[in-house]
Amino acid sequence: AQSVTQLDSQVPVFEEAPVELRCNYSSSVSVYLFWYVQYPNQGLQLLLKYLSGSTLVKGINGFEAEFNKSQTSFHLRKPSVHISDTAEYFCAVSGKSNYQLIWGAGTKLIIKP
Amino acid sequence: NAGVTQTPKFQVLKTGQSMTLQCAQDMNHEYMSWYRQDPGMGLRLIHYSVGAGITDQGEVPNGYNVSRSTTEDFPLRLLSAAPSQTSVYFCASSYGQAYNEQFFGPGTRLTVL
Repeated sequence: AQSVTQLDSQVPVFEEAPVELRCNYSSSVSVYLFWYVQYPNQGLQLLLKYLSGSTLVKGINGFEAEFNKSQTSFHLRKPSVHISDTAEYFCAVSGKSNYQLIWGAGTKLIIKP
Repeated sequence: NAGVTQTPKFQVLKTGQSMTLQCAQDMNHEYMSWYRQDPGMGLRLIHYSVGAGITDQGEVPNGYNVSRSTTEDFPLRLLSAAPSQTSVYFCASSYGQAYNEQFFGPGTRLTVL
């Protein structure tokens, strides 16, 4: 079985500052890892995913994440945030042999002007 | 393509009433799922389907029924609504493999009084 922990429920950051949203997972098998974003009053959409290969994954809107197998982490980063990045960000994990995603509790990114 | 559509967007029920949340997708996706989203808990899987005629339970199935008579439609039935079912419900679909992106509908906000 897999589980996901998002270490921060909210992250406030000034506009144009860098940000890191943390995600740790546990699993006894190899996994796929995902970050989804939910803008206010909308459904979720995929930001990026790690399947295999390079541990640095680039996604949409300037976000990237790094898979660290030894630390079982998949932290999301952006070098300079914009007010339009205000959203809730969800980390998710899936075992390679099943369809189901296990979700973290989410991190709200709050951009301060 | 309309993607994933959900109706209604908002619904208020009284305890004990039943209703059906509708979900449809026009992408010919094999896999469809229902989630509920509650504050601080991320998304929890209610039921899912890997193809027409095949459904299975997720993490929190009690009080909900599903059926999948066509590839396109995956309705969620609340049998006898309870206040604990007050939540935002999301339908999602994807091609079958675990590594594929899930596409989400806009959600249904349900309040049970």
